[in-house]
Amino acid sequence: AQSVDQPDAHVTLSEGASLELRCSYSYSAAPYLFWYVQYPGQSLQFLLKYITGDTVVKGTKGFEAEFRKSNSSFNLKKSPAHWSDSAKYFCALSTGFASALTFGSGTKVIPCLP
Amino acid sequence: EAAVTQSPRSKVAVTGGKVTLSCHQTNNHDYMYWYRQDTGHGLRLIHYSYVADSTEKGDIPDGYKASRPSQENFSLILELASLSQTAVYFCASSDISGNTLYFGEGSRLIVV
Repeated sequence: AQSVDQPDAHVTLSEGASLELRCSYSYSAAPYLFWYVQYPGQSLQFLLKYITGDTVVKGTKGFEAEFRKSNSSFNLKKSPAHWSDSAKYFCALSTGFASALTFGSGTKVIPCLP
Repeated sequence: EAAVTQSPRSKVAVTGGKVTLSCHQTNNHDYMYWYRQDTGHGLRLIHYSYVADSTEKGDIPDGYKASRPSQENFSLILELASLSQTAVYFCASSDISGNTLYFGEGSRLIVV
């Protein structure tokens, strides 16, 4: 069975700093990979996806992610990031066309106020 | 306006009682899903449906039933609610690719 691991439960964010959220997956074949964001009190919103092709994908809100088959990762990045990016981010995997998503446990981005 | 709407948004239920969570989508999507989110955790798939009048079991279907009477509507039914079913429940829809999910606002269920 497939699985998604987000090893960091929390990450602190300084205004204007770079943000990188880690995601690794376990699946024997080629995965479809996704990132979603959940702002406090809100539902989940789609950020970006990797299906095939260019391993760097760009999404909404200035985010991008890189698929690395060599280490089964799909890390999310944004530079510079802002306090408004404080939210919970979920990585997810699908085994293919029309397959349901398996989600990681999420990483909460917390603002680091000066 | 929201394309996936859930009701109720919040509910307190008694142990052993019946709970029905409803979901309505106007995306014209074929696929619909029910996930639960527990505090501090990710989303886990309970049931899903590819077409009206048909439902499939997800990863954690025990204690839940689902009903898809039409393309637009998908319900989650807890026949005998238990304390362990306290969670936030999200409904989502997607097109036939299943690649991008559109989520509802969530339904917070507290079982006492």
